[in-house]
Amino acid sequence: AQSVTQLGSHVSVSEGALVLLRCNYSSSVPPYLFWYVQYPNQGLQLLLKYTSAATLVKGINGFEAEFKKSETSFHLTKPSAHMSDAAEYFCAVSEGNNNDMRFGAGTRLTVKP
Amino acid sequence: GAVVSQHPSWVICKSGTSVKIECRSLDFQATTMFWYRQFPKQSLMLMATSNEGSKATYEQGVEKDKFLINHASLTLSTLTVTSAHPEDSSFYICSAHTSGGRNEQFFGPGTRLTVL
Repeated sequence: AQSVTQLGSHVSVSEGALVLLRCNYSSSVPPYLFWYVQYPNQGLQLLLKYTSAATLVKGINGFEAEFKKSETSFHLTKPSAHMSDAAEYFCAVSEGNNNDMRFGAGTRLTVKP
Repeated sequence: GAVVSQHPSWVICKSGTSVKIECRSLDFQATTMFWYRQFPKQSLMLMATSNEGSKATYEQGVEKDKFLINHASLTLSTLTVTSAHPEDSSFYICSAHTSGGRNEQFFGPGTRLTVL
């Protein structure tokens, strides 16, 4: 079965600094990979997704992620953090046409002024 | 984009009562809907997969007699927590998968259940 591991339950950066949230996946078939953001007491909002097209995926709010098969990674980055980026971020994987999606444990991003 | 709604957004109930949560896809048909559970400061855990017109598929460890799922139409799935207990208090989130081949789930805003 597919799974993801998010390294670091909590990441803190200064406003304007680089954001790097790590995600490694495990899948027996070519994966579909996702990053979601969740604000307190709200549902999930899709930031970006990889579906076997370009390995560098650009999403909303200036985020992007790069699929690296050799490293089984799909890390999320943003060049310059904004205070509004503070939230919980989840990496998720599904296996091809299988709609079953598995989530990582989440990473809480804190942005310091 | 596609919109998924949940009702109610929050509910407080007494122990032993049953609570029904609705998940609707507002502008698309969803052959498959998923129900997740999220405890405070934790990730989403898939509870069950619901396919329109058939029985739901439950994940290991999820009691199907306690969490009743009905996917009666292509736009509506319901989760009923029967004989709720305080340990069932959680954030329940549904998602709907678009029919037509796109592998994308659209998530509802979630329902916070508090069992007293």
